[in-house]
Amino acid sequence: GAVVSQHPSWVICKSGTSVKIECRSLDFQATTMFWYRQFPKQSLMLMATSNEGSKATYEQGVEKDKFLINHASLTLSTLTVTSAHPEDSSFYICSARGVAGGTDTGELFFGEGSRLTVL
Amino acid sequence: RKEVEQDPGPFNVPEGATVAFNCTYSNSASQSFFWYRQDCRKEPKLLMSVYSSGNEDGRFTAQLNRASQYISLLIRDSKLSDSATYLCVVYTGFQKLVFGTGTRLLVSP
Repeated sequence: GAVVSQHPSWVICKSGTSVKIECRSLDFQATTMFWYRQFPKQSLMLMATSNEGSKATYEQGVEKDKFLINHASLTLSTLTVTSAHPEDSSFYICSARGVAGGTDTGELFFGEGSRLTVL
Repeated sequence: RKEVEQDPGPFNVPEGATVAFNCTYSNSASQSFFWYRQDCRKEPKLLMSVYSSGNEDGRFTAQLNRASQYISLLIRDSKLSDSATYLCVVYTGFQKLVFGTGTRLLVSP
């Protein structure tokens, strides 16, 4: 089945630095990827929809200048948390809709997630 | 009112028990429904889609009630390995999936 890989799994950084998280679809092309954030004991919250070759669509309340999304190819989307602060510490997960034989299967495949801790 | 609501639990059940979770959604135009399983500190994984006619996969049965706007998940003969958080997920259209907060299940020996 479709596989989505996310890197890094864990990252610890100092306040004020920027962190880049990569999301790759390994065996299919994903024109659209999604970025979620999950705080402890809370549900996954959609941050933005990443569209290949165009600007990302951000959900209400998500700062597009702080969470930079680039979807430069059909298999790679990146999320950069700029000037990270402790309140940005969270579990960030990407996902893409599965494709089989060129057809959208409707199933959502998730990356392994990236746990960000900002000191 | 939240778009998707679940009882967070935890549901503590012994091995072999039958347990059921419900999930309500507010958008009557919602198109598709899913149950995902999430283990601690891991990514969610699709457990099963929920069809209008109801569907069963081994020990798991999912039901959809559009009139009352809820879906359910029934787990029979619970195993220790079933311990996880079960996420109710609703596709509202325009590529937007809405996640419930999840229901935590703990199966004990």
